[in-house]
Amino acid sequence: DGGITQSPKYLFRKEGQNVTLSCEQNLNHDAMYWYRQDPGQGLRLIYYSQIVNDFQKGDIAEGYSVSREKKESFPLTVTSAQKNPTAFYLCASSTSLPYYNEQFFGPGTRLTVL
Amino acid sequence: ELKVEQNPLFLSMQEGKNYTIYCNYSTTSDRLYWYRQDPGKSLESLFVLLSNGAVKQEGRLMASLDTKARLSTLHITAAVHDLSATYFCAATPPIIQGAQKLVFGQGTRLTINP
Repeated sequence: DGGITQSPKYLFRKEGQNVTLSCEQNLNHDAMYWYRQDPGQGLRLIYYSQIVNDFQKGDIAEGYSVSREKKESFPLTVTSAQKNPTAFYLCASSTSLPYYNEQFFGPGTRLTVL
Repeated sequence: ELKVEQNPLFLSMQEGKNYTIYCNYSTTSDRLYWYRQDPGKSLESLFVLLSNGAVKQEGRLMASLDTKARLSTLHITAAVHDLSATYFCAATPPIIQGAQKLVFGQGTRLTINP
């Protein structure tokens, strides 16, 4: 089955720790994205990547870092510099073809800071 | 800067009734998306609207797009309990190729009562 997987489903972090959220896709998509959702809110873009070894900041990149070493993988690290990281994190992917680049979303990771 | 606003943010309605959710966006957008989100779950794509006057229907849901008014609507006909969810619209700045930056509305939490 083609799709997007995220792990873990739930993650707990202590103050001052860095944590890494996994996102893998087998859809052969070039572009991948990370969004953050706070309770009762819409999604906000953290980082996105159009191609391997390249990524750009979204609207709320501070306190986060990413890498794109493989086409299938786009891990997100939430660093200790992120002051309020408790949220629901969603990864998405899409093709880069014009008019066919609808984004498909993974199941999400819920991060809680203890 | 592209901004997206939905209204209403909360909607409680009875089964069998009709209602409309509105999505306004502030600047030119390449396309308009509607998503559904169940509590604690990821986003499910409902509709992609690509051009002015586009209308798409799936079951009791119908979405339309008026690019001149920068307005999209999601119309619910004869609501049933299974449609209870949060509905998001998202717009994207014009792009020829490559990754899209989705800008989401705040979401409309729809509750359908028997």
